[in-house]
Amino acid sequence: DGGITQSPKYLFRKEGQNVTLSCEQNLNHDAMYWYRQDPGQGLRLIYYSQIVNDFQKGDIAEGYSVSREKKESFPLTVTSAQKNPTAFYLCASSSGGQVLHQPQHFGDGTRLSIL
Amino acid sequence: DAKTTQPPSMDCAEGRAANLPCNHSTISGNEYVYWYRQIHSQGPQYIIHGLKNNETNEMASLIITEDRKSSTLILPHATLRDTAVYYCIVRPTNAGGTSYGKLTFGQGTILTVHP
Repeated sequence: DGGITQSPKYLFRKEGQNVTLSCEQNLNHDAMYWYRQDPGQGLRLIYYSQIVNDFQKGDIAEGYSVSREKKESFPLTVTSAQKNPTAFYLCASSSGGQVLHQPQHFGDGTRLSIL
Repeated sequence: DAKTTQPPSMDCAEGRAANLPCNHSTISGNEYVYWYRQIHSQGPQYIIHGLKNNETNEMASLIITEDRKSSTLILPHATLRDTAVYYCIVRPTNAGGTSYGKLTFGQGTILTVHP
């Protein structure tokens, strides 16, 4: 079945560590996105990528980094510079590139906690 | 982006139709209406979207008023598994700055389907 796979489902980080969250899609989608969701709040855009080898900052990119070396993969690194990393991280993808009305489809998320 | 207003909660009996309203009185001509739902600790699930015509798919129907200032999501035969938070989102189709591709989730409507 086609879909978006995020791993791991739960992740624990020690202070000062970088961690990388995986996002893989087999939908042949051009665009991929990373969002962060805090308890009781909506989603906030961290980074997005319209095409391989290109990505743009979203609203809250500070303390995060991404890469898009392959169409199907868009890993997110939470660096030690991110002061409040505990959150639910969601990856999404959509087809069409410049056809912006195509819906985004989400993975099941990674819940990151600080030890 | 246009703002949406949804009731905070609704109840529905199992097997009956669930009609979820959304007000988007400031919607502009290039903005689509999207509906997503989210079950606790899972990623948002895309339901349906439309511009001005009514839309139907295997999950739901979307009715958009002629002036496009409001819409209704209809789940024709609600089941217990439809209990979730439902989000109505409007999103522009033109690219531009950090709004590109971003989905802005509000508080949504908590739909509870009871036996």
